[in-house]
Amino acid sequence: EVQLLESGGGLVQPGGSLRLSCAASGFTFSSYAMSWVRQAPGKGLEWVSTISGSGGSTYYADSVKGRFTMYRDNSQNTLYLQMNSLRAEDTAVYYCARKYTYGQYWDMDVWGQGTTVTVSS
Amino acid sequence: QSALTQPASVSGSPGQSITISCTGTSSDVGNYNLVSWYQQHPGKAPKLMISEGTKRPSGVSNRFSGSKSGNTASLTISGLQAEDEADYYCCSYAGSVVFGGGTKLTVL
Repeated sequence: EVQLLESGGGLVQPGGSLRLSCAASGFTFSSYAMSWVRQAPGKGLEWVSTISGSGGSTYYADSVKGRFTMYRDNSQNTLYLQMNSLRAEDTAVYYCARKYTYGQYWDMDVWGQGTTVTVSS
Repeated sequence: QSALTQPASVSGSPGQSITISCTGTSSDVGNYNLVSWYQQHPGKAPKLMISEGTKRPSGVSNRFSGSKSGNTASLTISGLQAEDEADYYCCSYAGSVVFGGGTKLTVL
């Protein structure tokens, strides 16, 4: 079964750091670009970042550029999002998602269940 | 403010058809038909319903279809069912990846 499982969310103070993980199973992980998408409480979806299958290319939303780093370990089938200098507005459910084979990198056909990040003092 | 504009809400009765619009500009939606559409039920992860404007991934009901006219992409749901009640988001590239603000579909 194709599956994505996020972990690492929690409560962190403003200015703090957190690392999210996304464990993939059931497919050839290295063959797929992957993305992080977040959703603030009661709000819509917001694209955060995307990484190529090899990990050689990454793309970030302006709102997180310079603060967040996305990377992957294809030997461990795991995706990461290192979040530094966290702000209250980063509070959200963070989803990892797989690029749909037959679409653009914003076409995401497999999603995890999400992990919640709360930035508060 | 999102670069892709959706109506906040739409509604329809079972069996009817509804259309959700997603308006961009000539630089994004108008120049390419690469809009994707996601369905999200409360407390659940989004689900890809349409990719690249009109393509339906395997397993998605053929009651869902995508189209484009000018700078506006549209998602049409025909034969509305109670289970279609959800939030719907369009998504495309407009300098970076952007989602529309979302549309809440209510099945009356």
